[in-house]
Order: sequence, then structure tokens, then C-alpha cells
Amino acid sequence: DGGITQSPKYLFRKEGQNVTLSCEQNLNHDAMYWYRQDPGQGLRLIYYSQIVNDFQKGDIAEGYSVSREKKESFPLTVTSAQKNPTAFYLCASSRGTVLAGRRNIQYFGAGTRLSVL
Amino acid sequence: QKEVEQDPGPLSVPEGAIVSLNCTYSNSAFQYFMWYRQYSRKGPELLMYTYSSGNKEDGRFTAQVDKSSKYISLFIRDSQPSDSATYLCATNLLSGGYNKLIFGAGTRLAVHP
Repeated sequence: DGGITQSPKYLFRKEGQNVTLSCEQNLNHDAMYWYRQDPGQGLRLIYYSQIVNDFQKGDIAEGYSVSREKKESFPLTVTSAQKNPTAFYLCASSRGTVLAGRRNIQYFGAGTRLSVL
Repeated sequence: QKEVEQDPGPLSVPEGAIVSLNCTYSNSAFQYFMWYRQYSRKGPELLMYTYSSGNKEDGRFTAQVDKSSKYISLFIRDSQPSDSATYLCATNLLSGGYNKLIFGAGTRLAVHP
């Protein structure tokens, strides 16, 4: 089945620790995204990548880092610089980012819930 | 002012009711409008996608766009307990060479038997 797989489902971070959230897709999509979801705030874009070896900051990139070494994979690292990391993290992908219309529809993974110990 | 405003609810209705979920937006440059459904502790899934003003129907769901009022709606007929979820409206904006999705905060719906 084609889709987006996020792991782990739940993650706990200790003070001063970096943690990495995994996102893999087998939809052959060029574009991938990371969002953060907090109660009552909707989805906020952290980073996006239009193509392998390229990524751009979104609206709330501070304290996060990403890499895009393979088309299928877009891991997100929550660094110790992110002082309020507790949230639900969602990865998404789409055929492109500049394409208009249905070709830019984003499909989401099941999410990772990150909490601080 | 947020670019997309959505009442967070919660909205509680009896089974079989007609549900109306609404969003307003501020930028007339927004072109495409989407509704996503998100079950608790799951990722959002695309429910409806519309472009022009007017209605689009898919089974029990109808998406309505009024570009003159900058108002989008999702109607659910004969609501079922399985419709209990958070509904997110979204639109897109071409910004910096990138087609950005902008989401509303989501409305939590509970349909009780």
C-alpha cells in the first residue's frame, strides 16, 4: 500500500537531548513537509523540501533541523534549542510544491507525539 | 488577524443531524480550498477539494465556496458517530515560488447516538 510512515508513534525527550523523527513515503512524491500541531492552533509548517538535497525553512523552523538525502525519506531532528517541543508532529508529501491544483494535494502520515520528560 | 479563521468548537450534535462547519479567509488570492478530517491521534486525511465558487457534493458531504464573501463551508448530512473528528479547512497561496497550504485551527465535532 502506498503511503507515508512516521515513526515512532510516541517519543519522549530528556532535557538537552536531540531526538529524530522518521518519515518515509512510497508515493514517489517529490515534495515533503513537516508540520507541528498544537491544540487550538492548527498546523504550522516547520520545514519543506521540494527535491532531494534541498529544503527550506517554514514558519517555525527555529530549534529544528532536517535532511533530504533520499527521495523517500525526510527525517526531522528536534534539537535541544527547541525549548517547547511537546506537540504532535505530522509529515506530509505531495507531487510538487509549485504545481497548482490537485497536484499539490498533501497527504499526511499518522503523526508522532513528542513529550518532554 | 489569522489568514484562515475557524471556530474550534467543540460542536456536539445528535446522530442524523445536518452539520455545518465554516471557515472565513482574508486573502482573495487564495484559489483552492480543502477540507481535511482528522481522527483523534491520527494524521489528517483529505475529504473534499474545491476550486471555484459554488457547491461540490460527495456522498453525505457538500463543500461550498463563496469567494465574494471569503467564506467556505462543509455540510454533513445524516451525521453518524463515525463522523466524530476534527475538521480542518485549508487553502493555498503561491508564495516565494512555493504553493503553501494554510490551515484553519480545526473544528472538533462530536456526533452522539
